[in-house]
Amino acid sequence: SQQGEEDPQALSIQEGENATMNCSYKTSINNLQWYRQNSGRGLVHLILIRSNEREKHSGRLRVTLDTSKKSSSLLITASRAADTASYFCATRKAAGNKLTFGGGTRVLVKP
Amino acid sequence: ETGVTQTPRHLVMGMTNKKSLKCEQHLGHNAMYWYKQSAKKPLELMFVYNFKEQTENNSVPSRFSPECPNSSHLFLHLHTLQPEDSALYLCASSRQGSENTEAFFGQGTRLTVV
Repeated sequence: SQQGEEDPQALSIQEGENATMNCSYKTSINNLQWYRQNSGRGLVHLILIRSNEREKHSGRLRVTLDTSKKSSSLLITASRAADTASYFCATRKAAGNKLTFGGGTRVLVKP
Repeated sequence: ETGVTQTPRHLVMGMTNKKSLKCEQHLGHNAMYWYKQSAKKPLELMFVYNFKEQTENNSVPSRFSPECPNSSHLFLHLHTLQPEDSALYLCASSRQGSENTEAFFGQGTRLTVV
């Protein structure tokens, strides 16, 4: 089974609305990261939250981490059509260098 | 532009062909990765190299053969592939030894096996 699993798999919202997606994982982690992928292109790093952090902001992005529930959320506020993309969470375990990705959430922001 | 360059961007090959994918980074990173992204499946880690040494092979079939001649270059040699190997192959790099860093991805090679 995969380490990170995003929920929902797909999300459709109007421009200006907020988009929230969740990620659950199974084992202990050192950090959790969120990435964005435009169709058929490479992934771009958005934000990293360490296991001892609970919340982090970057521009219109807000990430939370609850290690007791092994879950994280990504909130995009005041969404724009340009935010249309797939969003992936990835975990890095306490030991080792491997990043393990979930299946992603496809977000469509309608103008 | 992330600093990780993959070539070619698109590749169509027959099942009996031999081809290679190339990845290059000049970010000073010492860890490089190959990922496979198929439709409707999570990103699959294939290989990990740290300081040119392969540290992970995620049960990848031998028809995929990685090569890391130095910390800046990573290749994926392909031979006798199957149609189900058609996918987007992504290369990434990161700073080895520090767990709190992100990975930088190339734009990927879209591979079609016919």
